[in-house]
Amino acid sequence: EVVLTQSPGTLALSPGERATLSCRASQSVSGNYLAWYQQKPGQVPRLLINGASNRATGVPDRFSGSGSGTDFTLTITRLEPEDSAVYYCQQYGSSQYTFGQGTKLEIK
Amino acid sequence: EVQLVESGGGLVKPGGSLRLSCAASGLTFSDTWMSWVRQAPGKGLEWVGRIKRNIDVGTIDYAAPVKGRFTITRDDSTDTLYLQMNSLKTEDTAMYYCTAVGGFGEFAHWGQGRLVTVSS
Repeated sequence: EVVLTQSPGTLALSPGERATLSCRASQSVSGNYLAWYQQKPGQVPRLLINGASNRATGVPDRFSGSGSGTDFTLTITRLEPEDSAVYYCQQYGSSQYTFGQGTKLEIK
Repeated sequence: EVQLVESGGGLVKPGGSLRLSCAASGLTFSDTWMSWVRQAPGKGLEWVGRIKRNIDVGTIDYAAPVKGRFTITRDDSTDTLYLQMNSLKTEDTAMYYCTAVGGFGEFAHWGQGRLVTVSS
């Protein structure tokens, strides 16, 4: 099973700043089958990024994904208060899917 | 617009059974891999299992914690996905989400979720 480790656990930033969230895999993620999700309190998770770097429909271009192999990054520029949420990475490989434990982003 | 509407769930005693349903619309259900994802209260997301299209032999894979106890099926004639949960344990308590799987293995669309509580 591919284990995904996200860092940091919590990130507190101010509006207008840039957030960099990391997701490290215990082994290479084949085909860059890596996705990112945003979940706000009491809400359903929302797909942000698939294929490591493709923004999902309707996702602002302030959100971008990068990386390959075992190291992936979600970058959020020009932070807004509404970006406060927990962010999860997720991979698919060998007929199994796994999620990272999440990074909580707080906008001060 | 894709809509996934779950039903079922509720309170069940340990060792009991429960079935969740998910009615899909706004997508070509028979062409779509479908999956269940759960989230225990205050915890992170956990994949439960996935069923491929019937044209892909309808292959089903499960996460280790539920393998042998949970069964995923699909009915392409009614665009409905099912999750049969047997031998339920207290650690199965969670919100269960029906999801549609995209081409990169991502969970592209999500239902609103159904709460399953396993407690005596």
